[in-house]
Amino acid sequence: EAQVTQNPRYLITVTGKKLTVTCSQNMNHEYMSWYRQDPGLGLRQIYYSMNVEVTDKGDVPEGYKVSRKEKRNFPLILESPSPNQTSLYFCASSLTNNEQFFGPGTRLTVL
Amino acid sequence: KNEVEQSPQNLTAQEGEFITINCSYSVGISALHWLQQHPGGGIVSLFMLSSGKKKHGRLIATINIQEKHSSLHITASHPRDSAVYICAVMSRGGADGLTFGKGTHLIIQP
Repeated sequence: EAQVTQNPRYLITVTGKKLTVTCSQNMNHEYMSWYRQDPGLGLRQIYYSMNVEVTDKGDVPEGYKVSRKEKRNFPLILESPSPNQTSLYFCASSLTNNEQFFGPGTRLTVL
Repeated sequence: KNEVEQSPQNLTAQEGEFITINCSYSVGISALHWLQQHPGGGIVSLFMLSSGKKKHGRLIATINIQEKHSSLHITASHPRDSAVYICAVMSRGGADGLTFGKGTHLIIQP
């Protein structure tokens, strides 16, 4: 089944404890992206990748890192999480300039 | 940077009504997406448009490139259409990624 998977789906952590949210797709898509969704602000792009080893900042990249070492995976790394990174995170993938497929979301709480 | 405005922010209608949600943007784009998010949180892509009109079942999406405007229509609305509908645009060349509208919260009452 074609899908985008994210792990974990829910995470509660403490300030400063490094964490990684994984994202994987099985559709051989070139384009992958991370978004966060906050009440009143909607969806905002954090980072995106047009292909392997190519990543670019979105609108809100501060406090996040990504890597794209292989086509199927695009992990989101929070080196030192802070409470303002409490949010709902979505990963998505697509063929270039095509319909986006979204993962199920990761609800992160940073205490 | 593209500015994306959606209207209305909230819409409550009766089952069977014809629904229109609007999206306008400020800078030329390569594509516009309409997304649907149900209360459970999952996001589904409904349409991707670069010109003209697309139809899928009771949903119709149109785009006017010259006026920088798109509409999403729902015919014969049903309570299961209740969701948040989000417009997103990809700037020309895709260099800036996606910019999103804040969404339209639609409730269809039986």
